[in-house]
Amino acid sequence: DTAVSQTPKYLVTQMGNDKSIKCEQNLGHDTMYWYKQDSKKFLKIMFSYNNKELIINETVPNRFSPKSPDKAHLNLHINSLELGDSAVYFCASSRGATSGANVLTFGAGSRLTVL
Amino acid sequence: DAKTTQPTSMDCAEGRAANLPCNHSTISGNEYVYWYRQIHSQGPQYIIHGLKNNETNEMASLIITEDRKSSTLILPHATLRDTAVYYCIVPHNDYKLSFGAGTTVTVRA
Repeated sequence: DTAVSQTPKYLVTQMGNDKSIKCEQNLGHDTMYWYKQDSKKFLKIMFSYNNKELIINETVPNRFSPKSPDKAHLNLHINSLELGDSAVYFCASSRGATSGANVLTFGAGSRLTVL
Repeated sequence: DAKTTQPTSMDCAEGRAANLPCNHSTISGNEYVYWYRQIHSQGPQYIIHGLKNNETNEMASLIITEDRKSSTLILPHATLRDTAVYYCIVPHNDYKLSFGAGTTVTVRA
């Protein structure tokens, strides 16, 4: 039973299309995140939601829109896909930092390839 | 984030202890030190964290110097499956973990 699950695992699409990546966690965590790992392998945080509220919104093009229908889900919708959006996108969740350290559990990643 | 400095890469013999250093000289008094690793093509995996005291769990030990300006992650008996990129992170904002380049650890038979 996967703790943080992402779908799809692989996504190949054409420039200009709109696509979504879904994330679900069954850990009962309050906080969820999206990270992007590009071809240079650096992991960069994109967004974070705590109890369905956006708490971190890094410098990300507004073509990227996260949506959190409930605490257990955080989806990432990307409009007008560009070649530079090709990357592996990781979802993560955590209890939050209310009681000290904040430990993240990551999903397996969704590899997006834009042609 | 407090800047961390790690060696780019290191090799380790299977069955031996792997000692991974990290410098974080600008760490503040209430900032944690976290260690994660990323095995090829997988999501990052939490290893251990600490504030002031040394910590040990089933995966590793974390030794933090008294002045907290550096730490060492110890994998007691490295196996081939421990080959990964290891990240030492000291976030100013606990919700915003930033991953640097890390240390690429190769465990050799």
